[in-house]
Amino acid sequence: GDSVTQMEGPVTLSEEAFLTINCTYTATGYPSLFWYVQYPGEGLQLLLKATKADDKGSNKGFEATYRKETTSFHLEKGSVQVSDSAVYFCALSDSPNFNKFYFGSGTKLNVKP
Amino acid sequence: NAGVMQNPRHLVRRRGQEARLRCSPMKGHSHVYWYRQLPEEGLKFMVYLQKENIIDESGMPKERFSAEFPKEGPSILRIQQVVRGDSAAYFCASSPDRGSQPQHFGDGTRLSIL
Repeated sequence: GDSVTQMEGPVTLSEEAFLTINCTYTATGYPSLFWYVQYPGEGLQLLLKATKADDKGSNKGFEATYRKETTSFHLEKGSVQVSDSAVYFCALSDSPNFNKFYFGSGTKLNVKP
Repeated sequence: NAGVMQNPRHLVRRRGQEARLRCSPMKGHSHVYWYRQLPEEGLKFMVYLQKENIIDESGMPKERFSAEFPKEGPSILRIQQVVRGDSAAYFCASSPDRGSQPQHFGDGTRLSIL
C-alpha cells in the first residue's frame, strides 16, 4: 500500500542554517505530494505541494521537488528562522480520487537563535 | 473566510463514556475527512464522508467508532465507551469536491481519557 517515510527528528539548527528534511514514498499510482507544517496546539497547514514528477513546490522560502526516479520529496530551506520551529509532515494523496492522505510520522524542527 | 471549525478543542472523558467531536467544513465544502493523530505520530486516515454518505471508512475501528455528516449541521465523530487508547488528537479536513486537493485542516480536538 501507499506509505510515506520521513527522517526522524528532532532536528536542531541555528538560525540561518540550511535545512533538509528527507521524505521518501511508496505508491502504486501517480500520487500528489505535500508538505504540511504543524505549530504547537494547532492543526496542519499546507506548506507546499507538487502534483507530478519533476514539479517543484515552493512557499515561504521552502522548496521540495517531486523525484519519481528516487521516489523522494525532500524539504529544503536555505536559511531557517526561529519562527520555522514546528513539526513538518510529508504526505501523499492517493490516486486517482485523492480521497485520503498518507502522512509520515513528522519531523520536529527546533531553530535556535 | 472561516476555515474548518472543530469543537471542542479539548475534551476530557472518563473510561466508558461517549465522546462526540464536531467538524464544520469550510464554506462551500461538502466533503469531510477525519484523521487521528496519536502522540509522536503522523495523522492516520479514518473516514471520508460526503453529505449524508460515507464514502470510505477503511480507517475506522470496527467497533465503538461512528461518523456522520447530515444534510444540515456539522459532521460528527462519535466514540462510544471510550478507553485510554482513544486518547489522541482528532483532525477534520474538508474539500469542495471529490478529488479536489489539498484538503484544509481544522485545529483538531484533543481527547483525553481519564
